[in-house]
Amino acid sequence: GAVVSQHPSRVICKSGTSVKIECRSLDFQATTMFWYRQFPKQSLMLMATSNEGSKATYEQGVEKDKFLINHASLTLSTLTVTSAHPEDSSFYICSAEPGHLGETQYFGPGTRLLVL
Amino acid sequence: AQTVTQSQPEMSVQEAETVTLSCTYDTSESDYYLFWYKQPPSRQMILVIRQEAYKQQNATENRFSVNFQKAAKSFSLKISDSQLGDAAMYFCAYRRGANFGNEKLTFGTGTRLTIIP
Repeated sequence: GAVVSQHPSRVICKSGTSVKIECRSLDFQATTMFWYRQFPKQSLMLMATSNEGSKATYEQGVEKDKFLINHASLTLSTLTVTSAHPEDSSFYICSAEPGHLGETQYFGPGTRLLVL
Repeated sequence: AQTVTQSQPEMSVQEAETVTLSCTYDTSESDYYLFWYKQPPSRQMILVIRQEAYKQQNATENRFSVNFQKAAKSFSLKISDSQLGDAAMYFCAYRRGANFGNEKLTFGTGTRLTIIP
């Protein structure tokens, strides 16, 4: 398989601050990465598709100014939650698709965000 | 738009027995992929098995196998010789074919599998 890492694994922040979550593909290059949000006992909800060297594509209803995505290199995408509020508390997961392993997404371990 | 339906929110099975999780999907595409992912309590999403729509043969991975019925748009997962480590949330997922580049996954709502010792 392929390995995707995320950092941090959990973060607690105060309301109004910004939080950055990193997603890295460790053993492959990824021109595209995906960011998901998951509420307790629910399925994954795609937030945006991150494209290396270009703007991210956001799903309907996701505020692009609140959830900033930067895909600066072929192995790194970052999600910044700006001016976080308690309702942004959630589990955030990234994934990437290594082309040499077929059309299969591999997931990072996720980041648990708690906004106080 | 593609949809994926998992009609069993929860399932349980005795250890060492066999269980089948159901998944149906709706699509107008002819080229696509189907996946089963498991999410244990750690919440790490782990690929269980994948199926290419153009392949008639059902995919198998050790104790895991699928029953892919393309005409019926059904994609069930069979777990044989269930083990305690199989306890997890299982998600069925759909992806359009490779001609469309890096495509997003559409997930079902999941089935929580409990293994009874």
